[in-house]
Amino acid sequence: AQKVTQAQTEISVVEKEDVTLDCVYETRDTTYYLFWYKQPPSGELVFLIRRNSFDEQNEISGRYSWNFQKSTSSFNFTITASQVVDSAVYFCALSEAGRNFNKFYFGSGTKLNVKP
Amino acid sequence: DTGVSQNPRHKITKRGQNVTFRCDPISEHNRLYWYRQTLGQGPEFLTYFQNEAQLEKSRLLSDRFSAERPKGSFSTLEIQRTEQGDSAMYLCASSLPGRVGEAFFGQGTRLTVV
Repeated sequence: AQKVTQAQTEISVVEKEDVTLDCVYETRDTTYYLFWYKQPPSGELVFLIRRNSFDEQNEISGRYSWNFQKSTSSFNFTITASQVVDSAVYFCALSEAGRNFNKFYFGSGTKLNVKP
Repeated sequence: DTGVSQNPRHKITKRGQNVTFRCDPISEHNRLYWYRQTLGQGPEFLTYFQNEAQLEKSRLLSDRFSAERPKGSFSTLEIQRTEQGDSAMYLCASSLPGRVGEAFFGQGTRLTVV
């Protein structure tokens, strides 16, 4: 069965601090996809990043970066120089490959508070 | 607005009543998904359509729930004989065929059963 765990319920930082959100997943599939989504107070889930199970290369995209480690089943997400507008709930998600793509298994979310 | 549209945004209903929600996906998106999100939790998959065909239903979708997408465009989610446990945010998402992860979510319908 697929499962995503986000142990951090809520994190508070001061603007310009770096913050890392943790994600651990479980799956028996060899091919899968991992994602981070952001949910601001308006409620709409916003796609941030995607990684497939064959690509462990870590990248940086603007102020976002991620650390995918298959050996520990972790997919952590870092925001550099946080801003007040980053305040939201962040969800890590796992998707099957094949026919059921975009059938997401979400973690319980981490609420990020960025204070000025 | 070319995003995923959900109506109504909020619905308050008495226990035992039937409710229906509507989702209008992005034009040309042939996949449409329904998720349910309870307070403090991540969204949970309910069902999805490819065009008008309902390809999978979660065990969360009890007999009181039914979803349709009659012409492969908009979709409706109906809950019959609502219970307080049905109170949640119901999210709709759509995507193009084969576009993994490029699922666009609507702002959801918040249901409160009193």
